[in-house]
Amino acid sequence: GQQVMQIPQYQHVQEGEDFTTYCNSSTTLSNIQWYKQRPGGHPVFLIQLVKSGEVKKQKRLTFQFGEAKKNSSLHITATQTTDVGTYFCAGRDYNQGGKLIFGQGTELSVKP
Amino acid sequence: DSGVTQTPKHLITATGQRVTLRCSPRSGDLSVYWYQQSLDQGLQFLIQYYNGEERAKGNILERFSAQQFPDLHSELNLSSLELGDSALYFCASSVGGDRNSYNEQFFGPGTRLTVL
Repeated sequence: GQQVMQIPQYQHVQEGEDFTTYCNSSTTLSNIQWYKQRPGGHPVFLIQLVKSGEVKKQKRLTFQFGEAKKNSSLHITATQTTDVGTYFCAGRDYNQGGKLIFGQGTELSVKP
Repeated sequence: DSGVTQTPKHLITATGQRVTLRCSPRSGDLSVYWYQQSLDQGLQFLIQYYNGEERAKGNILERFSAQQFPDLHSELNLSSLELGDSALYFCASSVGGDRNSYNEQFFGPGTRLTVL
């Protein structure tokens, strides 16, 4: 079945350093979403990418969707302590029923 | 606040018991999703309902069942509980039913289930 793999599982950075998490799908995705879950909280939607090669920015966050629509990345520039949490990608493939399949998440910790 | 409510927040029970988790979606949302989150398994999709009907099934055990009522709230029933069922259970809602839609999902605060 469809699988979405995300790496790394954990990332520890010094405040001010950059951070990137990568997401890979076993099938071509119809779209991909990114969510953030703060410690003790629930996942919160960040963004959705639909088009091949799409790049979207939200302040210090840059999201990319691969040309083949099988991979995606989230890059945070100059991390801050408020960026702490687990970042999930979630891919949807309508050829596989359209379910939103979540990656395992990348837990980001930021040392001040 | 996402607008999705879940009750109870915490639930402690014993093996072999049965529990019911409740979810009220955001106003106007027709789809409800259930997820299980445990430390080593990430977010596992269990089941989706759209406007009262089952729309998609994930890795939901036969001991688990769910339904969506006419007022669109949903309940997840977990029976013959085992220690391994201890986890955080999230409900999420979205406007559409996923097919040919690109809706984001809004998550509730979750119910933490502990099976002793």
